[in-house]
Amino acid sequence: DSGVTQTPKHLITATGQRVTLRCSPRSGDLSVYWYQQSLDQGLQFLIQYYNGEERAKGNILERFSAQQFPDLHSELNLSSLELGDSALYFCASSVGDGRIYEQYFGPGTRLTVT
Amino acid sequence: GQQVMQIPQYQHVQEGEDFTTYCNSSTTLSNIQWYKQRPGGHPVFLIQLVKSGEVKKQKRLTFQFGEAKKNSSLHITATQTTDVGTYFCAGNMEYGNKLVFGAGTILRVKS
Repeated sequence: DSGVTQTPKHLITATGQRVTLRCSPRSGDLSVYWYQQSLDQGLQFLIQYYNGEERAKGNILERFSAQQFPDLHSELNLSSLELGDSALYFCASSVGDGRIYEQYFGPGTRLTVT
Repeated sequence: GQQVMQIPQYQHVQEGEDFTTYCNSSTTLSNIQWYKQRPGGHPVFLIQLVKSGEVKKQKRLTFQFGEAKKNSSLHITATQTTDVGTYFCAGNMEYGNKLVFGAGTILRVKS
């Protein structure tokens, strides 16, 4: 158990819909990262927050947005969902902001868009 | 864009054989991390390499960082069935602030 929690575990929704994925980092960690993992794309970095502020952006679509709240939990919002958005979404956390910190991954949310 | 290439994509070995996965970057890395993801699980941090030419060992696993800090390898000696999973390298670009993951190498071990 990494100490990172993600809800829900599974989500099935229809195209065009909007969903919110939730992540609680390990106690004491200030950074939260979001990744998308699909079969043909590996682990794609989406976005990072540190202590409530956006720090780094990866291949995140405009239909996707995220935020980190004062209690440090984070939410990833996915809207106008398409079939291709079906994937495993991981949240990870680390104690600091920067390149040297190891990341602890949550169990993931499996999103299926039908 | 910034990329970290990882090969092979897939390897199936007999239990007891050795296994190596390689990671290459087109740009210099400030550091590299390795993660393991068991089937159905989430990535778990294994190790971080920072110095040029660094070699670290964890039991049967040996990690190397190249002299130019553009490549890295993970070698497993005498694989066991518990080694199955996907091994990811993740590099931090020298002037960046985000990990770039390789595509991963899927290891299957036949007993």
